[in-house]
Amino acid sequence: GEDVEQSLFLSVREGDSSVINCTYTDSSSTYLYWYKQEPGAGLQLLTYIFSNMDMKQDQRLTVLLNKKDKHLSLRIADTQTGDSAIYFCAGGTPSKAAGNKLTFGGGTRVLVKP
Amino acid sequence: DAGVIQSPRHEVTEMGQEVTLRCKPISGHDYLFWYRQTMMRGLELLIYFNNNVPIDDSGMPEDRFSAKMPNASFSTLKIQPSEPRDSAVYFCASSPGHNIMNTEAFFGQGTRLTVV
Repeated sequence: GEDVEQSLFLSVREGDSSVINCTYTDSSSTYLYWYKQEPGAGLQLLTYIFSNMDMKQDQRLTVLLNKKDKHLSLRIADTQTGDSAIYFCAGGTPSKAAGNKLTFGGGTRVLVKP
Repeated sequence: DAGVIQSPRHEVTEMGQEVTLRCKPISGHDYLFWYRQTMMRGLELLIYFNNNVPIDDSGMPEDRFSAKMPNASFSTLKIQPSEPRDSAVYFCASSPGHNIMNTEAFFGQGTRLTVV
């Protein structure tokens, strides 16, 4: 099955850019996702990228996908204190039979310092 | 819609007791997922349903764990008997369908279970 790995922790100063990295093993994942978990809350979808894309930009968020290296990254521009959270990458291949069964990485805790 | 609703938010129970966690998915969503989150193992998928039918329960750790979905608006995850190592945050999530435009999983706020 899919194995997804992330670094555990990232500290960044307010206003700087954050880059969160993720590697995955299953190249058949059709879609790759980034979720955000704030303290005491569930996960919330931030963005996703289709496996045949290299890059996707959505306001302050930029997702880069290197299929050859099976590497996914999330860049947050102008990081704010409200961006402090745990960020999860996940892979999945939606199908009618299986829905969208996701495999999550362990999460990267991002701490934004003022 | 109020989103995915889980109850209780916190549960403290003694080892050996039965624990029942509840979930109300978003109305109209076809898929329902139960996850467990711990520091050691991260986020693990336990079981998921499609139109109330269990599709994959390979993530359920032991026979002590069982899940049901008697109708489209309600699911339970039961642990009997509970053990201290079951302590974790349990999340329920639902998603509309399987096409990319509607596969986003919406998570509840979780139930923090502590077994002492």
